[in-house]
Amino acid sequence: GAVVSQHPSWVICKSGTSVKIECRSLDFQATTMFWYRQFPKQSLMLMATSNEGSKATYEQGVEKDKFLINHASLTLSTLTVTSAHPEDSSFYICSASYRGRGYGYTFGSGTRLTVV
Amino acid sequence: QKEVEQDPGPLSVPEGAIVSLNCTYSNSAFQYFMWYRQYSRKGPELLMYTYSSGNKEDGRFTAQVDKSSKYISLFIRDSQPSDSATYLCAMSGSNTDKLIFGTGTRLQVFP
Repeated sequence: GAVVSQHPSWVICKSGTSVKIECRSLDFQATTMFWYRQFPKQSLMLMATSNEGSKATYEQGVEKDKFLINHASLTLSTLTVTSAHPEDSSFYICSASYRGRGYGYTFGSGTRLTVV
Repeated sequence: QKEVEQDPGPLSVPEGAIVSLNCTYSNSAFQYFMWYRQYSRKGPELLMYTYSSGNKEDGRFTAQVDKSSKYISLFIRDSQPSDSATYLCAMSGSNTDKLIFGTGTRLQVFP
């Protein structure tokens, strides 16, 4: 149980285009989801906290207009990288909180974004 | 000073060795402590979860939390090459869903 599906697993896009990444909780309702960014050989950097039905809370230094987050249902959150640039190339990972199941988080398998 | 400190390694051990991974933290409000394993280009996988102080064992893995010292550990017994991965500690307070991660320790177990 407590499975999070993330896709696509990898995507290549041209500079200036937008890319949408989906994160779905398959067998539980996730009122809160998190979006992370990870650079090679580095830890996870929290970008934003996504709450169902409300605006996302962004961490300091993360551009809200560039990284659009939508959490329209209890099982789906999306991250859209708008007007992507090569420096946006990174590994993006979502996770969902499932309190009540021993408190913890389950992570998606990640999306590798390459902007060319 | 970072809230969570973790030696990035890499740590290289022979198969069958006992591995000790550690994190220190500065925020005394942390109550929930987790260890994740992350293979290259994959999402983190929860290994162990501990609430407050104490030990927890699951198969070859043992997690220890010493809140008085603000120090947590993960022990891996009879390490296997398949254990080669990055191990991330993570922790959170009781009034927040936000996880704070360590930088991760890269472990390599050679045959």
